[in-house]
This record gives sequence, structure tokens and C-alpha cells, in this order.
Amino acid sequence: GENVEQHPSTLSVQEGDSAVIKCTYSDSASNYFPWYKQELGKRPQLIIDIRSNVGEKKDQRIAVTLNKTAKHFSLHITETQPEDSAVYFCAASRSGTSYGKLTFGQGTILTVHP
Amino acid sequence: DGGITQSPKYLFRKEGQNVTLSCEQNLNHDAMYWYRQDPGQGLRLIYYSQIVNDFQKGDIAEGYSVSREKKESFPLTVTSAQKNPTAFYLCASSIGHPGETQYFGPGTRLLVL
Repeated sequence: GENVEQHPSTLSVQEGDSAVIKCTYSDSASNYFPWYKQELGKRPQLIIDIRSNVGEKKDQRIAVTLNKTAKHFSLHITETQPEDSAVYFCAASRSGTSYGKLTFGQGTILTVHP
Repeated sequence: DGGITQSPKYLFRKEGQNVTLSCEQNLNHDAMYWYRQDPGQGLRLIYYSQIVNDFQKGDIAEGYSVSREKKESFPLTVTSAQKNPTAFYLCASSIGHPGETQYFGPGTRLLVL
């Protein structure tokens, strides 16, 4: 089955800096890669996703890049703000198939210091 | 994700007791899931269901049971066989296949008395 490794496990940045979280996956057939943000005690919420037919997607201060050859994808947050502090999870799946469950990474605790 | 509700928000279980966590969605999603999250940990899949009256075990199904009698509902029972049930339980749903975007409910925190 799919295996997703996420790094780093914790990340501390100063407000205004950029933050990068990287995930690697094992199943070369995976084609869907979402990122979730989870604030303390709350539900995970989808913040951005990318499919294997594109290499990069951007939404305001958040971007995701995908390297299918190397089987890794990354979340980039620019101009970080204290409200970006949360746990971020990446995931991968074979979207469009009956057996392609989402497999989640272990999460990254991002702390943005004012 | 506002269309997924879980109840109760907090649940207390006594030794040897079975407890049931509720999950309801009005998004007309076909697939539903249950995850367990331990403090500082990731999401582990307990059970999932792609259609009514059908469900599959996830990675940590032992000590849990589910039913899917209606499209909107996917209750999870934590049985007495689950020896370490204290965790945050999240329900999710998605359109169609399990590999699609999942939307989460607000969660139920289960504590053992």
C-alpha cells in the first residue's frame, strides 16, 4: 500500500518568513495530493490540493509543488502569520479508483512567532 | 465541511462498556470514514464505507464496529475489546471514491473513566 513520509515534524518560523513542508510517497500510481490544516482541538480542513497532471498550484500565500519523478510534493507558505500556526497534514491517493484511500503523513506542527 | 456533524462532542466510557459515536452528513456524499487521532499523532483509519450496507476495515479496526444503514449516517461503536480507547475520533465523507477529497466533522473526544 501507499506510504507517506512528512518532514519536518516541527517547524518554527518568525512572522513574515516562509515555511516549507515536504512529503514523499511510495505509490507511483498516486495522483491526488491534498493538504489539510488542523488547529488545536479542531477538525482538519482542506487548504489546497494538487493532481498529478500539474506541477504547481497557488492560492494567495499558499502553494503546492509536485515532482512525480522523485515522488515528492511540498507545501509552501509565504509571509507567514501567527494564525498560520497549526498542524499540517499531507495525503496521497489514487483518485478515481475504488480502492484508492487517502494515506496521511504524520503531520507537521508549524509555529509562527510574532 | 459544515454538512458533517458528530455527537457528542465529549464522551466518557466506563470499563467494559460499549459506546457509540454518531456521524451524520447532508452533503449527499457516498463515502464515509472514521479516523482515530491520538495526541500529537496523525490520522489512523478505522473503517470506511463506499456505499450503503457495505464497509471495509481500515488500519486499526480491532475493537471497533460500524454500520451503514443510511447514506447520511455512519455510526462507530467502540467496544469493550478496545483496551485503549482514549482519543479524538474524526468522521469524514467524500464524493464517490475513497481517494477523493475528504471533509471532516468536528470530532468526538472519548475519555475513559
